[in-house]
Amino acid sequence: DVKVTQSSRYLVKRTGEKVFLECVQDMDHENMFWYRQDPGLGLRLIYFSYDVKMKEKGDIPEGYSVSREKKERFSLILESASTNQTSMYLCASSARERGSKETQYFGPGTRLLVL
Amino acid sequence: AQKITQTQPGMFVQEKEAVTLDCTYDTSDPSYGLFWYKQPSSGEMIFLIYQGSYDQQNATEGRYSLNFQKARKSANLVISASQLGDSAMYFCAMRFFNDYKLSFGAGTTVTVRA
Repeated sequence: DVKVTQSSRYLVKRTGEKVFLECVQDMDHENMFWYRQDPGLGLRLIYFSYDVKMKEKGDIPEGYSVSREKKERFSLILESASTNQTSMYLCASSARERGSKETQYFGPGTRLLVL
Repeated sequence: AQKITQTQPGMFVQEKEAVTLDCTYDTSDPSYGLFWYKQPSSGEMIFLIYQGSYDQQNATEGRYSLNFQKARKSANLVISASQLGDSAMYFCAMRFFNDYKLSFGAGTTVTVRA
């Protein structure tokens, strides 16, 4: 079974703090993704990475950065947390199978509250 | 960008009955895949079923089936013989074959009543 883990289930931070969300997958997947989920908006892609040290912006990258130094680990960084970044953050990974059933597998999510 | 629409914010279904969750999408690209995910209250997104745009038959996975109507651009999920454990939020998503990006609908909450 694919296993995607996230470092924290719940996190409370203060405005202006630097926040690190870590994600690890154990299936040797090339692709990794960070989403945020807000009520009524579904999931929105923040960043994704298709290889080590490679990254691409998603739909809402503003206020976020990412790091992928190792294939199994993908970190989301909030350089200076703001209250509008209070949300559920979901990490996902997938094997590179373009043109077919490339399925993303998700971690349990991190609920971040910024005060 | 493709748009995924789930018009039912919430639904109630009686245990052991079937329920259909609507999903429509808007794209002119002929090559895409459609996915359904389940999100229980614990938060994890669980992959349920996949349908490719060139697949001739509707996908089925156990109690889940996908009613794919390509001309109408709809990909409704049918859950048969509902169980209490089916209570969750369900998301429809789409990905083009030549892209990594998965685009999601807003979700439908299903509550199964005993």
